[in-house]
Amino acid sequence: AQSVTQLGSHVSVSEGALVLLRCNYSSSVPPYLFWYVQYPNQGLQLLLKYTTGATLVKGINGFEAEFKKSETSFHLTKPSAHMSDAAEYFCAVSEDAGTALIFGKGTTLSVSS
Amino acid sequence: GAVVSQHPSRVICKSGTSVKIECRSLDFQATTMFWYRQFPKKSLMLMATSNEGSKATYEQGVEKDKFLINHASLTLSTLTVTSAHPEDSSFYICSALAGKETQYFGPGTRLLVL
Repeated sequence: AQSVTQLGSHVSVSEGALVLLRCNYSSSVPPYLFWYVQYPNQGLQLLLKYTTGATLVKGINGFEAEFKKSETSFHLTKPSAHMSDAAEYFCAVSEDAGTALIFGKGTTLSVSS
Repeated sequence: GAVVSQHPSRVICKSGTSVKIECRSLDFQATTMFWYRQFPKKSLMLMATSNEGSKATYEQGVEKDKFLINHASLTLSTLTVTSAHPEDSSFYICSALAGKETQYFGPGTRLLVL
């Protein structure tokens, strides 16, 4: 069975600082990995995804993530945080293309000025 | 980009009544849609997988007779919460599969059962 663990339910950074949100997964097959962002009372917006190929994936809003098979990780980073990045971030995994997503519990990112 | 809408965005109903939530893919066709439920400060939990023209596949613990799913066209799936109770109050989010790999999510529907 697949699972996702997001380390740190709450991450606080200063504006301009590095953002690092951690995600580890468990999967018996090569995973499809996703990061979504959710703003209050809204649905989820896809930030980026990894399916196959290049392990460093670039997404929207300056975010990127690196798939590390040996560490079973897919951490999300952004070099310089912006106030508008404050939101809930979800890491998700699926075992096959087009199948349901298994979500982590989410990480709340706070950005202070 | 792929856009998914949900209607209504918010609904308040009395206990015992039924509520229908619509999920539409606006600019693409989706043979598969998913329904998730999100509790406050919690992650999304898959309720069911909706396939166009066939019966939905429900996750363990989800009552299929209570949460009726219909996927009658390639752009519309509906979730009907029947005989709603206060414990059904939640944030319901749908997603639609665009192509083979990526789910695009609707904005969610906030249900409050009084």
